[in-house]
Amino acid sequence: DAKTTQPTSMDCAEGRAANLPCNHSTISGNEYVYWYRQIHSQGPQYIIHGLKNNETNEMASLIITEDRKSSTLILPHATLRDTAVYYCIVRAFLSGNTPLVFGKGTRLSVIA
Amino acid sequence: ETGVTQTPRHLVMGMTNKKSLKCEQHLGHNAMYWYKQSAKKPLELMFVYNFKEQTENNSVPSRFSPECPNSSHLFLHLHTLQPEDSALYLCASSQDRGHYEQYFGPGTRLTVT
Repeated sequence: DAKTTQPTSMDCAEGRAANLPCNHSTISGNEYVYWYRQIHSQGPQYIIHGLKNNETNEMASLIITEDRKSSTLILPHATLRDTAVYYCIVRAFLSGNTPLVFGKGTRLSVIA
Repeated sequence: ETGVTQTPRHLVMGMTNKKSLKCEQHLGHNAMYWYKQSAKKPLELMFVYNFKEQTENNSVPSRFSPECPNSSHLFLHLHTLQPEDSALYLCASSQDRGHYEQYFGPGTRLTVT
């Protein structure tokens, strides 16, 4: 499974868009990009996933570059409740590979 | 609410005690997972069950014993734990083992004294 690289931490002003980058330069053609977040002392929360097209749901947007070597998770209007650790994970869908492995992620701090 | 519940939310136990953690999912999923999260460490996968069969055991010590009586329930039986086993224990479920859209419970905060 492809390795991902994320910045250790980021700050974002409340009400502004939070753009969280992830590099996955060794991603294979059948591997999806998944994003999760974990708010302090809570279980991780699934956010969104995508293969090659940009995706949007009620929580966030996922922008994947054309070469699929990197992606950006966008929280359009960050609130204080979005302060969390955000994890970018690459996995092949239905491949039978080992389940999700969470790395260190990006600690996003939304500042009032 | 994610559709995954865990009880108890907090547990303090001595090293000679036996206790069990319970997880229940109301999502109709077929795969269930136990994860461990120690302070300032990444999430560690412990066990995976798919259609009630254990498919992963990530070298977890035998003092942790999982049980999956059906696709909706998962238990983690604990005995003779060590203080370093103190952590947040998280349960998750997904459609099946190959689906990586996982839904997590709130966790059980375990303290071993």
